[in-house]
This record gives sequence, structure tokens and C-alpha cells, in this order.
Amino acid sequence: GAVVSQHPSWVICKSGTSVKIECRSLDFQATTMFWYRQFPKQSLMLMATSNEGSKATYEQGVEKDKFLINHASLTLSTLTVTSAHPEDSSFYICSAAGQLNTEAFFGQGTRLTVV
Amino acid sequence: GENVEQHPSTLSVQEGDSAVIKCTYSDSASNYFPWYKQELGKRPQLIIDIRSNVGEKKDQRIAVTLNKTAKHFSLHITETQPEDSAVYFCAAGDSWGKFQFGAGTQVVVTP
Repeated sequence: GAVVSQHPSWVICKSGTSVKIECRSLDFQATTMFWYRQFPKQSLMLMATSNEGSKATYEQGVEKDKFLINHASLTLSTLTVTSAHPEDSSFYICSAAGQLNTEAFFGQGTRLTVV
Repeated sequence: GENVEQHPSTLSVQEGDSAVIKCTYSDSASNYFPWYKQELGKRPQLIIDIRSNVGEKKDQRIAVTLNKTAKHFSLHITETQPEDSAVYFCAAGDSWGKFQFGAGTQVVVTP
């Protein structure tokens, strides 16, 4: 299957700082990427849909000014958690779909810990 | 929007027995239903999927059924093995990869 790479795999940051997470599709072009958040022992919650060259679409309850998404190319989407707080500590996972009728491929996830 | 419910939340089975996980969805526009297996701290791995124009699909020990009318779909694992122990998520959505996930089922297969 296709490869989606996410970086970093884990990050620890201080409260109030910002953290950027990258999601890359390595061997295919991803017009659309998705960002999910997963708290311990919980399900994956869709945060936003990232479209190349346009503004992201955020799910209800997700603060767009706090979770900045940029999708500048067909192989890269970034999620920036601004002014991070301990409650933002979570597992963030991206996924990308190449063409219609193909499965979505997940990145390996980023474990964010805010101290 | 789409709402996916998944049951049971935990499932303990004896090695060799079958495991069944059930999901329901709310949005009749959903046309793609994947199942993922996730081990602790790792990314979800697709194990099987089914599209709305198919009622059943099987891949070795794993099968999925879909009832569009009732908005139900189920995962069946036969001849379970200890390595099948993990959290399983159902999802519903479109073919572009936008999903709503179920709450997950912790499957424990005991030797």
C-alpha cells in the first residue's frame, strides 16, 4: 500500500509554545488529507479535512485558530498546535487518500505531551 | 453528520473461537465501511473494507457483512489467535477517506 509518513513521532513541549506536525504522502499525491486526534483508550476523532491549496474544513468543536492546518502541496500537510496546553496532549494521526475508491492510509501518528 | 456506534466495547474469546463486532451508522450517504486494527501506540491498520454496493466480503479468517437498509455492518473473525488481540475500530464515510470512527472494541484472545 501507499506510504504516509508523519513527523515527529513524539514531541514534548512546554505549555504556551507551538508545535508543528508534518504529514507527507511519500509515493502518491494526496489531494485531501485528514487530521485525527486520539485520547488514551478512546477512538479517533476527526478534527479537520485538509485540501491542497485551500482552507481546511474543521469539524464542529475544533478551534481553527488553535489548530492551524496548511496543505501547500499535494504531498504535504501540516498541523500546528498553537499555545499548547496540557489538555492538548494526545495522539495526532493524519491520513491521506489518493484517488477515488482507494483506501485511506494513515501516518504513524505523533504523540504530543504538553508539560 | 455521521454517527457510528460500535459494540461491544470489550470482547474476550478463547483461542480458536469466533469473534463478532457490530456497528451501526446514521448517514445513508456513507458508502465505504473500513475496519481497522490498532495495537497500542501504533497507527490503525486496515484489515478489511466493504463498499455500499456489496453485502459481504471475506478475506481468509476475516469477513464483513453490510446491511444498508438497517445501516448495520459487522466484522467476523474466525479461528481467533492470540495475535488477533488488539483494538478494532469500524468506520463509515466516503471513498475519499473522510471517516467517522466507532468507539472501538478491545479484543482479547486467550490461549
